[in-house]
Amino acid sequence: QQQVKQSPQSLIVQKGGISIINCAYENTAFDYFPWYQQFPGKGPALLIAIRPDVSEKKEGRFTISFNKSAKQFSLHIMDSQPGDSATYFCAATPSYNTDKLIFGTGTRLQVFP
Amino acid sequence: DAGVTQSPTHLIKTRGQHVTLRCSPISGHKSVSWYQQVLGQGPQFIFQYYEKEERGRGNFPDRFSARQFPNYSSELNVNALLLGDSALYLCASSYVVGGARQETQYFGPGTRLLVL
Repeated sequence: QQQVKQSPQSLIVQKGGISIINCAYENTAFDYFPWYQQFPGKGPALLIAIRPDVSEKKEGRFTISFNKSAKQFSLHIMDSQPGDSATYFCAATPSYNTDKLIFGTGTRLQVFP
Repeated sequence: DAGVTQSPTHLIKTRGQHVTLRCSPISGHKSVSWYQQVLGQGPQFIFQYYEKEERGRGNFPDRFSARQFPNYSSELNVNALLLGDSALYLCASSYVVGGARQETQYFGPGTRLLVL
């Protein structure tokens, strides 16, 4: 019940294309859903985050779509660029006052020119 | 402002040894969490400390321990190292007011531990 399932494991997209990464969860107590971007040898960096009272959030080329009834959320990267090539992790936090982040397994994105 | 800092950046130990990893949170952040990231996997939660008290613990053996100091920096200690402890150890900090998280966590660059 504490798991966050992420797919696909890897993704290859041409420059200018749309990258879509999906996540699903089971625990309805989760109340905060951040996405992190991680480059090799670096720590994860917060990309964008959403709460369950909103169905979509957009920041620049990055959009989170959230489906509360299906317990699914996804990251869309519009106009994908080679600099977006990294590993992306979805995560969720339980609703009680804790910083415990439950991470997905990650998606390695490669954007080719 | 400086981000989360961690030291050392890399560390090589042998089985059975002990290791101490250090973390300084972002200025004003009182909550520090530790994660273990094995190669090719997502980070796994180890501990959270807030106001020098343990607020959460993940599914890790008692060989793992941590503490937080009055300046909110933190140490992660691992005793009796095993080969499987080889991983990137990440520290994250967040801004908490009255026990409620105000924003998400910001991660440091990590300490890469190799156990031989």
